[in-house]
Amino acid sequence: GAVVSQHPSRVICKSGTSVKIECRSLDFQATTMFWYRQFPKKSLMLMATSNEGSKATYEQGVEKDKFLINHASLTLSTLTVTSAHPEDSSFYICSAGRDRGGDNSGNTIYFGEGSWLTVV
Amino acid sequence: LAKTTQPISMDSYEGQEVNITCSHNNIATNDYITWYQQFPSQGPRFIIQGYKTKVTNEVASLFIPADRKSSTLSLPRVSLSDTAVYYCLVGPLYNFNKFYFGSGTKLNVKP
Repeated sequence: GAVVSQHPSRVICKSGTSVKIECRSLDFQATTMFWYRQFPKKSLMLMATSNEGSKATYEQGVEKDKFLINHASLTLSTLTVTSAHPEDSSFYICSAGRDRGGDNSGNTIYFGEGSWLTVV
Repeated sequence: LAKTTQPISMDSYEGQEVNITCSHNNIATNDYITWYQQFPSQGPRFIIQGYKTKVTNEVASLFIPADRKSSTLSLPRVSLSDTAVYYCLVGPLYNFNKFYFGSGTKLNVKP
């Protein structure tokens, strides 16, 4: 089946530094990818929608200058957490939409494995 | 986007059939219904997707009534490894409009 891969799966960084998380669609091209954040025992919270070749669309309350999203190719989107603070520590998950063509009934959104970010 | 409502948690025993219902009263004509399973510290995993009536695959069935205002995920003969959070998502699948997650249903399978 379709696979969406994230890297790294776990990362620890110091306060004030920046860290990049990659999201790749391994066996299909994804015009649209999504980034979510999840706190322990909570549901996923949509942060932004990443469109290949254009600027990301951020959800209300998400700082676009802090969470930089780049979707430079049809198989790669990156999330960069800039000037990281301990409160940015969280589980970050990406997803990618697979367009199979036709009547959309075969289209599906697949999720990556998630990336744990710890800011110390 | 259609808002979804699910029970917060459910308990079951190994070998039983489990039915998890999701309410989506304001589902739009172009919306599909997709169910995901999530284990701790993992991304959601696709289970099944449908538009109307019944869909079945190797792991689950999805029942959608004619008015499409709800859907039921059916897991046959659950095992301990099915303990997870299950989410139903509703939305169009053209241009992949953003999907918002509800609270999900925590399924606890007991021996």
